[in-house]
Amino acid sequence: DTAVSQTPKYLVTQMGNDKSIKCEQNLGHDTMYWYKQDSKKFLKIMFSYNNKELIINETVPNRFSPKSPDKAHLNLHINSLELGDSAVYFCASSQGGAGVSTDTQYFGPGTRLTVL
Amino acid sequence: QKEVEQNSGPLSVPEGAIASLNCTYSDRGSQSFFWYRQYSGKSPELIMFIYSNGDKEDGRFTAQLNKASQYVSLLIRDSQPSDSATYLCAVTVYNFNKFYFGSGTKLNVKP
Repeated sequence: DTAVSQTPKYLVTQMGNDKSIKCEQNLGHDTMYWYKQDSKKFLKIMFSYNNKELIINETVPNRFSPKSPDKAHLNLHINSLELGDSAVYFCASSQGGAGVSTDTQYFGPGTRLTVL
Repeated sequence: QKEVEQNSGPLSVPEGAIASLNCTYSDRGSQSFFWYRQYSGKSPELIMFIYSNGDKEDGRFTAQLNKASQYVSLLIRDSQPSDSATYLCAVTVYNFNKFYFGSGTKLNVKP
């Protein structure tokens, strides 16, 4: 069983399009995250949701909108895609919030987004 | 200044040697410190965490934390070629729900 799953694994699209990436975790965790990893491998947190409520919203363009229908799912919708959005997007989950000491995050396999 | 800094490497060590990976952080409110390993094309996976000053050992891995110097390190004893990966340092700032990753250090262990 995959603990944290993401779909699709690869996404190639044109500039200006709107796309979504889905994430699901079957670990029973309360918190889910979206990260962006750029070509230099720098991993940056974008959003964090705890029990379907937003608790971290780092400075990202408002073209990115997370949606959490329940605590096992956190989807990422991106409007008007730009070249600079090309990256690998990782979903993760943890038992508690990001600020909880020793809280381990479990990562999904990643979605490689390429904007042409 | 980035919140978490790491030397990008690559750090090359021979098989069987000790690999030493270093990380510095800027926020003195940082409370928990994590080391993740990421193989090429894969997702990060947790190796270990530490939140008290001193050393913490887990198998071949030892994490070292010095809060006064804002420095955390990871030692890998008896390095194996399978340890070749990028190692990411991460810190949490509890009261502000902040979680930062460094850009990672690439480790090559040569047979």
